[in-house]
Amino acid sequence: KAGVTQTPRYLIKTRGQQVTLSCSPISGHRSVSWYQQTPGQGLQFLFEYFSETQRNKGNFPGRFSGRQFSNSRSEMNVSTLELGDSALYLCASSLDQRDTQYFGPGTRLTVL
Amino acid sequence: DQQVKQNSPSLSVQEGRISILNCDYTNSMFDYFLWYKKYPAEGPTFLISISSIKDKNEDGRFTVFLNKSAKHLSLHIVPSQPGDSAVYFCAASAGVGFGNEKLTFGTGTRLTIIP
Repeated sequence: KAGVTQTPRYLIKTRGQQVTLSCSPISGHRSVSWYQQTPGQGLQFLFEYFSETQRNKGNFPGRFSGRQFSNSRSEMNVSTLELGDSALYLCASSLDQRDTQYFGPGTRLTVL
Repeated sequence: DQQVKQNSPSLSVQEGRISILNCDYTNSMFDYFLWYKKYPAEGPTFLISISSIKDKNEDGRFTVFLNKSAKHLSLHIVPSQPGDSAVYFCAASAGVGFGNEKLTFGTGTRLTIIP
């Protein structure tokens, strides 16, 4: 079974721009969660989607948004990029809540 | 507010010896705990989990111990192997229905196994 895939793997943007990251979950997994990893903060939960609905949301500003499609693929969007948004963005999928989450390789975003 | 804490940013252990990674939490609603391992340029990989109804779970060389009264868990790796060198994250979640099904992660401990 193919694992979680994320595209693109690397991205460089400038301040003020917006970015869209994509995540394809493991086949059959309906829950997709997004995390931000930075050196000092570890992994911080962004949001979780299940059946195209956002079920949980972390403490991030409204510039961070996401969505999930009917095939469970998910996208996250960050608008008006700031330098502090530079991070590794990880997507994880699971069958449902409380099931083991399987992570993709992440998208490394650099904001200049 | 760091609800899951890994106070040791790094740990070095001789190959063949035991590696002990520690994790503390503050949220008493957490009832499910996991350990993930992460290599550079890869996403975290699930290692082992434990529910709060248990105090120990074992899987091969990996054992997780949970001390609920101390709000402390630890991961033991015996014997340690060079391939175990990675960053280890402790994660926790609260019960379904409390709106905290998301995983809360610690900041990670970099384990280096010395050959």
